[in-house]
Amino acid sequence: EIVLTQSPATLSLSPGERATLSCRASQSVSSYLAWYQQKLGQAPRLLIYDASNRATDIPARFSGSGSETEFTLTISSLEPEDFAVYYCQQRSNWPLTFGGGTKVEIK
Amino acid sequence: QVQLQESGPGLVKPSETLSLTCTVSGGSISPYYWSWLRQPPGKGLEWIGYIYYRGNTNYNPSLKSRLIMSVDTSRNHFSLELTSLTAADTAVYYCARGMSVARGTFDIWGQGTMVAVSS
Repeated sequence: EIVLTQSPATLSLSPGERATLSCRASQSVSSYLAWYQQKLGQAPRLLIYDASNRATDIPARFSGSGSETEFTLTISSLEPEDFAVYYCQQRSNWPLTFGGGTKVEIK
Repeated sequence: QVQLQESGPGLVKPSETLSLTCTVSGGSISPYYWSWLRQPPGKGLEWIGYIYYRGNTNYNPSLKSRLIMSVDTSRNHFSLELTSLTAADTAVYYCARGMSVARGTFDIWGQGTMVAVSS
């Protein structure tokens, strides 16, 4: 199965700062990578699908890039509600797999 | 607006079978793929498997021998049965919809239901 490795595990930033999250795949997933946001006690929320497409109602400050094995989620200017855990997920191969997550916390 | 709601027991004994149902409201169960996922306390997400509205299934090999999924289009719901439970199956279980334009991506999720495996 494809292993997704996210870095860093924790990102400590202040509101208004730029956040850059990384996801690396153990083999190529083409562009079939998604990003989710999860807040404590809530279900994940889809942010980005197929590497760079924002999901419905997702603000423009969220953007995704990358292909093959290297992917990035960028939050251009952190809002208070953006502090959460972020997961990447591939749909290139079965079984579908997720990365271990990056926690974005308030500095 | 499509919403998903999981239902099932919060506590199951070891070696027993877990049965969960996900009810789809505000939309049709067809023509989508529907998945189950889970998240152990404090850990990451694991995809369990999917069922298509026509009944085709695809299971995670790590769970395949213990898993059965079914769908009832007349009731607009789908279900999961996981047998031979152990403490390692303790998790929040989510149902989710696969996007029509990106089948293995999940655009709508249920709120999740906590299942504890304990005697």
